[in-house]
Amino acid sequence: EADIYQTPRYLVIGTGKKITLECSQTMGHDKMYWYQQDPGMELHLIHYSYGVNSTEKGDLSSESTVSRIRTEHFPLTLESARPSHTSQYLCASRQGSNQPQHFGDGTRLSIL
Amino acid sequence: QKEVEQDPGPLSVPEGAIVSLNCTYSNSAFQYFMWYRQYSRKGPELLMYTYSSGNKEDGRFTAQVDKSSKYISLFIRDSQPSDSATYLCAMKDNQGGKLIFGQGTELSVKP
Repeated sequence: EADIYQTPRYLVIGTGKKITLECSQTMGHDKMYWYQQDPGMELHLIHYSYGVNSTEKGDLSSESTVSRIRTEHFPLTLESARPSHTSQYLCASRQGSNQPQHFGDGTRLSIL
Repeated sequence: QKEVEQDPGPLSVPEGAIVSLNCTYSNSAFQYFMWYRQYSRKGPELLMYTYSSGNKEDGRFTAQVDKSSKYISLFIRDSQPSDSATYLCAMKDNQGGKLIFGQGTELSVKP
């Protein structure tokens, strides 16, 4: 079972602030993902990484950016938060091409 | 048209009932199928993972895949109040494709 940790769990912050959402996993998984989830809607992939120094944009356009300097760490950054960024952000990881993804408990972000 | 369709519910059943949750899909390249359970304010938790047609059983849970009909199901026997959660189906192809999720079915099991 993957251990994957997201911080903070909840964040309420004003418009225009720079935000970094943290995601760390302890299983040495190469592949990591960020999803956005709104109530009653499916998860939408916004970023993914297949290893150190590898990052790609997902299917849902996002103003956020990511970095992958270490295998275990995959932070997501919003340079200037807006109310439209209010959502739940979920991080996931997996090992192997066809292994299932394991998720963290998410960050619930609210931009005022 | 969405690649994966899932009845959003909500679904409310009495304790002890058999629950059937279903997803249909349009992409015949999907080969790997998952069911996740998501409690309120938590991340999705993997329940079942299968890659072949037929049934896979784990305790009170049975995952069923029918590739010819492009239809998957999750059955919960002897449902408990602790089963109250949102259930997400997810699937992918075997070419390194992305995981595609249904929108989730909210289940409530009443004591």
